[in-house]
Amino acid sequence: DAGVTQSPTHLIKTRGQQVTLRCSPISGHKSVSWYQQVLGQGPQFIFQYYEKEERGRGNFPDRFSARQFPNYSSELNVNALLLGDSALYLCASSLEGGGYTEAFFGQGTRLTVV
Amino acid sequence: AQRVTQPEKLLSVFKGAPVELKCNYSYSGSPELFWYVQYSRQRLQLLLRHISRESIKGFTADLNKGETSFHLKKPFAQEEDSAMYYCALSNTGNQFYFGTGTSLTVIP
Repeated sequence: DAGVTQSPTHLIKTRGQQVTLRCSPISGHKSVSWYQQVLGQGPQFIFQYYEKEERGRGNFPDRFSARQFPNYSSELNVNALLLGDSALYLCASSLEGGGYTEAFFGQGTRLTVV
Repeated sequence: AQRVTQPEKLLSVFKGAPVELKCNYSYSGSPELFWYVQYSRQRLQLLLRHISRESIKGFTADLNKGETSFHLKKPFAQEEDSAMYYCALSNTGNQFYFGTGTSLTVIP
């Protein structure tokens, strides 16, 4: 099993642009969550999706959006990029959407906004 | 609101010495507590979780609900334990809230 895969691994965007990050969960996992990790901080919860429905949203502006597809893969979109959006974006998948199950993390996408 | 606090950003110990990484949390419900570890150039991975009560790689963690703490301990540190350690809590919806992490260096 390849584990959780994210693409791209790195990208550079200009302020005001839009970006889409992609995540493929572990086969059989139905829940995908997104986290933002700013340098020197722990991962911060952005979104959780389970069975294609949003199950939770962290304290992030509406510029951040996400969706989950029928094959359980997911995309995170960020509009009107700001310099402060520069971070490592992590995707995590879980077997279920609740019940304190383990989250398996991808390698992340390093986003740099210039 | 939920909060996880790891007071030490950096921690250095000598090989063979005991190590303790501190974690305190605040949460209004009944969370599950985890320790995740990130070795150099590797992805974040689960080290242990309270509910399973396992000892992984010699590490243990005891949940103290009175002190709202979940400190990670190992009696004899090894060089391969050098890594970034994150304490996290999960709510019933499986959403994780992480501390800022402690970078552990084990000195040979």
